[in-house]
Amino acid sequence: EDQVTQSPEALRLQEGESSSLNCSYTVSGLRGLFWYRQDPGKGPEFLFTLYSAGEEKEKERLKATLTKKESFLHITAPKPEDSATYLCAANQAGTALIFGKGTTLSVSS
Amino acid sequence: DSGVTQTPKHLITATGQRVTLRCSPRSGDLSVYWYQQSLDQGLQFLIQYYNGEERAKGNILERFSAQQFPDLHSELNLSSLELGDSALYFCASSVSAGPTDTQYFGPGTRLTVL
Repeated sequence: EDQVTQSPEALRLQEGESSSLNCSYTVSGLRGLFWYRQDPGKGPEFLFTLYSAGEEKEKERLKATLTKKESFLHITAPKPEDSATYLCAANQAGTALIFGKGTTLSVSS
Repeated sequence: DSGVTQTPKHLITATGQRVTLRCSPRSGDLSVYWYQQSLDQGLQFLIQYYNGEERAKGNILERFSAQQFPDLHSELNLSSLELGDSALYFCASSVSAGPTDTQYFGPGTRLTVL
């Protein structure tokens, strides 16, 4: 069964304390791996798409990487405004995104 | 702001009732997707429409139905509502229906069934 698993479920960091979020997937024929940010009660906000193993993308303090089995979202020197739930999703064959349950990040000053 | 609009923002109704959720995609987008987000299940795909035609179905209950109109807006109809249907319902849109197309999400409709 196609599946996306994210870890940890929750992560608490101090401002400036870098860390990584993990997304492992068992999706045959992966066509795209997507990262979204979701604030409480809001819709997911698109961050990155990764298409093939070895690809990396960066945006401000965030960097996403992709291997054949997992993706990482690295957060460098986070700030309190980076607090949110980060969702990973896989797209196999042009239909639905298969979402993980997310990692809820809390950054305190 | 993703450019995807959803109405209403909140909906409170009783068991057994029927409701309609509305979604307008981003300008130029032909695909509309509906997702349900509950605390225990996460985001679950319900159904996709592309240029007015049903393209893919996920875990959508028979009590739920959707359609996409010629102006590309979409409606999700939920009937015979149960307590367990309480959730956030999101609409997303993309340019086409390709597997690498980015899906942009709307702000959601929070449905509460009492």
